[in-house]
Amino acid sequence: AQTVTQSQPEMSVQEAETVTLSCTYDTSESDYYLFWYKQPPSRQMILVIRQEAYKQQNATENRFSVNFQKAAKSFSLKISDSQLGDAAMYFCGYSGAGSYQLTFGKGTKLSVIP
Amino acid sequence: DVKVTQSSRYLVKRTGEKVFLECVQDMDHENMFWYRQDPGLGLRLIYFSYDVKMKEKGDIPEGYSVSREKKERFSLILESASTNQTSMYLCASSHLGQGKEKLFFGSGTQLSVL
Repeated sequence: AQTVTQSQPEMSVQEAETVTLSCTYDTSESDYYLFWYKQPPSRQMILVIRQEAYKQQNATENRFSVNFQKAAKSFSLKISDSQLGDAAMYFCGYSGAGSYQLTFGKGTKLSVIP
Repeated sequence: DVKVTQSSRYLVKRTGEKVFLECVQDMDHENMFWYRQDPGLGLRLIYFSYDVKMKEKGDIPEGYSVSREKKERFSLILESASTNQTSMYLCASSHLGQGKEKLFFGSGTQLSVL
């Protein structure tokens, strides 16, 4: 079974600074997808960024980017120019290419300090 | 705007009661999911459905059942609620496809079983 590990239960960042959230995963599959979801206080989770394992290029979405290291099974999220609205729980997720199931890590609570 | 709607934001039930959590999506999605979210444990998949009347067990199906009679509606049933089922329940949906599909989430139902 696949596992997803987020080793940082909580993190904080100063507004306008950069922060990196860590995620590692364990799988024997070669084709899969990785995700970062954000859950603000409103509780509704939204997709931040998605990475296809077969793509070597790291995904980026505006201020959000990932560092995907396939051999190391590492998938970190970098948030640049942090804003107050970035404060939320962030969940890393894994899904095999042939699977309906998305496995999540335990989450990292990010606080943004004004 | 696309929506996944959960019928209740907060729910309080007694031990032994039969509980129904309802979820409706308006995106004509084939896949629907029920997750449970607990502090320190992240999100865990209870059940999912990839078609009307189809269902598959997730990681923690014990004590739960589901019903999908119509494409847009996916119900989670607690046959006899217990205190250890006190939790946040999140419904999600996605397009047909595996692995790569983005999940759209509802705002969650915080269930307390007394």
